[in-house]
Amino acid sequence: DAMVIQNPRYQVTQFGKPVTLSCSQTLNHNVMYWYQQKSSQAPKLLFHYYDKDFNNEADTPDNFQSRRPNTSFCFLDIRSPGLGDAAMYLCATSGGQPQETQYFGPGTRLLVL
Amino acid sequence: AQSVTQLGSHVSVSEGALVLLRCNYSSSVPPYLFWYVQYPNQGLQLLLKYTSAATLVKGINGFEAEFKKSETSFHLTKPSAHMSDAAEYFCAVTTGRRALTFGSGTRLQVQP
Repeated sequence: DAMVIQNPRYQVTQFGKPVTLSCSQTLNHNVMYWYQQKSSQAPKLLFHYYDKDFNNEADTPDNFQSRRPNTSFCFLDIRSPGLGDAAMYLCATSGGQPQETQYFGPGTRLLVL
Repeated sequence: AQSVTQLGSHVSVSEGALVLLRCNYSSSVPPYLFWYVQYPNQGLQLLLKYTSAATLVKGINGFEAEFKKSETSFHLTKPSAHMSDAAEYFCAVTTGRRALTFGSGTRLQVQP
């Protein structure tokens, strides 16, 4: 059974057109993360929520926003996508302790035209 | 600050041969260390993790890793490679933050 679900798996958007990626989880975890992974690179953390507490990484561009309306769902909003934002976006969840496993979704591949 | 270095962006082995993927970490405090595997167009899956219990950690799919504090290493091994092991492998570290720091990854190729 899928534990971390991401929709859509592939998303095509136009330069400058806002786009929203979604993530849901069935694990009831406190923490939800969003990572950006460009081709042949390591995942890079954009931000995470601990419950409703939002934690932004220092180098995450303002163009990226996130919402977590409830425990199960988290959204990544890209306000004005640029060509450089084309990447795989990975959602992950964990219970909240540093030593706990992060469970990843299958990712959404974003293409910007 | 915490960081990991994965030596070798590409490793190629023959089916049945030993797999050795290298990971060195940098941390001023005791770390938690993870190995994740990523198949093409998929998310990351945990192989194993070190959380300050046993230094030799066994994971899924026959993989294991040994935490060596004196060498600041956490290398991943598997005695006999299988074609299905071909994937990207990431080492990651955290020292108390919820956020993981990933290495740059090692792509494993398995030759028949």
